[in-house]
Amino acid sequence: GENVEQHPSTLSVQEGDSAVIKCTYSDSASNYFPWYKQELGKRPQLIIDIRSNVGEKKDQRIAVTLNKTAKHFSLHITETQPEDSAVYFCAARGTASKLTFGTGTRLQVTL
Amino acid sequence: DTEVTQTPKHLVMGMTNKKSLKCEQHMGHRAMYWYKQKAKKPPELMFVYSYEKLSINESVPSRFSPECPNSSLLNLHLHALQPEDSALYLCASSRTGVNQPQHFGDGTRLSIL
Repeated sequence: GENVEQHPSTLSVQEGDSAVIKCTYSDSASNYFPWYKQELGKRPQLIIDIRSNVGEKKDQRIAVTLNKTAKHFSLHITETQPEDSAVYFCAARGTASKLTFGTGTRLQVTL
Repeated sequence: DTEVTQTPKHLVMGMTNKKSLKCEQHMGHRAMYWYKQKAKKPPELMFVYSYEKLSINESVPSRFSPECPNSSLLNLHLHALQPEDSALYLCASSRTGVNQPQHFGDGTRLSIL
């Protein structure tokens, strides 16, 4: 089955700096890669997703890049703000038609 | 705005009790999901329903019994749970078709005494 690895497990940045979270996946047939943000005690919230026919997607301060050859994808957050502090999960949808999540990255944006 | 509603928000039950978790969505989604999330861990898929039929069961113990009575509702019936079943249970829904985004509810925090 699909295996998704996510790094780093924790990330601390100063307000205004950029944050990058990286994920790798094992199933070369995976073709859908969403990113979720989960604040403490709240639901996972979809923030951006990318499909395998696209190499990059951007939505305001958030961007995701996908390298299918290397089987890795990354989340980029620019001009970070304190409200960006949360746990971020990447995920991949493989041949089993289900989402497999990464282990999560706890992002802390400090003032 | 998308919305998946789960009830109850919190549930405490003994190992001999029977209870049910409920999930409702009115977005016209025909795929619905149950996930289990332990503290500081990612969501783990339990069940998938597509057009009210069970399509994926991730080898979940029979003490968890899902039910999809109609296209808007998804239930998870609980019986004889173990302390290790304490977790946040998340419901999600999506359109059917390839690579549709899943939208999560706020979850039910379950504690087994």
